Amino acid sequence: QKEVEQNSGPLSVPEGAIASLNCTYSDRVSQSFFWYRQYSGKSPELIMSIYSNGDKEDGRFTAQLNKASQYVSLLIRDSQPSDSATYLCALNNFNKFYFGSGTKLNVKP
Amino acid sequence: GAVVSQHPSWVICKSGTSVKIECRSLDFQATTMFWYRQFPKQSLMLMATSNEGSKATYEQGVEKDKFLINHASLTLSTLTVTSAHPEDSSFYICSARGILLAGINEQFFGPGTRLTVL
Repeated sequence: QKEVEQNSGPLSVPEGAIASLNCTYSDRVSQSFFWYRQYSGKSPELIMSIYSNGDKEDGRFTAQLNKASQYVSLLIRDSQPSDSATYLCALNNFNKFYFGSGTKLNVKP
Repeated sequence: GAVVSQHPSWVICKSGTSVKIECRSLDFQATTMFWYRQFPKQSLMLMATSNEGSKATYEQGVEKDKFLINHASLTLSTLTVTSAHPEDSSFYICSARGILLAGINEQFFGPGTRLTVL
């Protein structure tokens, strides 16, 4: 079983809609969680980090963490075509980072 | 966020030659640096983790004698691909982590180096 699981997608949403990206993880002791965005041919870019249960908002992005259910999600409000990319979920566990395989998001104009 | 640079951004070399890639943290001290490899349309694959002043820890299946990692300072790590072959052609990405807030740390990626071995 992989440490971090993501649906590979692609997830297609119309411009202006809310995109919901989900991630589950297997290790209950994980403390730090991250969402990265990766455009094709580019390296990942950190969007959000979240460390405690609940929601964390930053502009159009909201990260949600539920440690009891072992999932973390990313909501993108008012999706734009420029949000089209692969979104990677990651966690930090005992000085080691684990990445999901990423979910490809397509925002259609 | 913190800035990480990589050099070169792309390199083409002949089979059998060695290639060195530099990774620098520009505005923070990186306690740990990570090296990843990514093949087209695949996910990131961690190759090794390096801490300043100590030997790198390689992931299973990664040849330490082929991929030499040096982390000589808190701002610089290098990856040398020795005797490169076409199957080593890939996108190599480094990342760096430093203590930004007490007990909390994040990982920032360099822009990547695209290696093509002919």
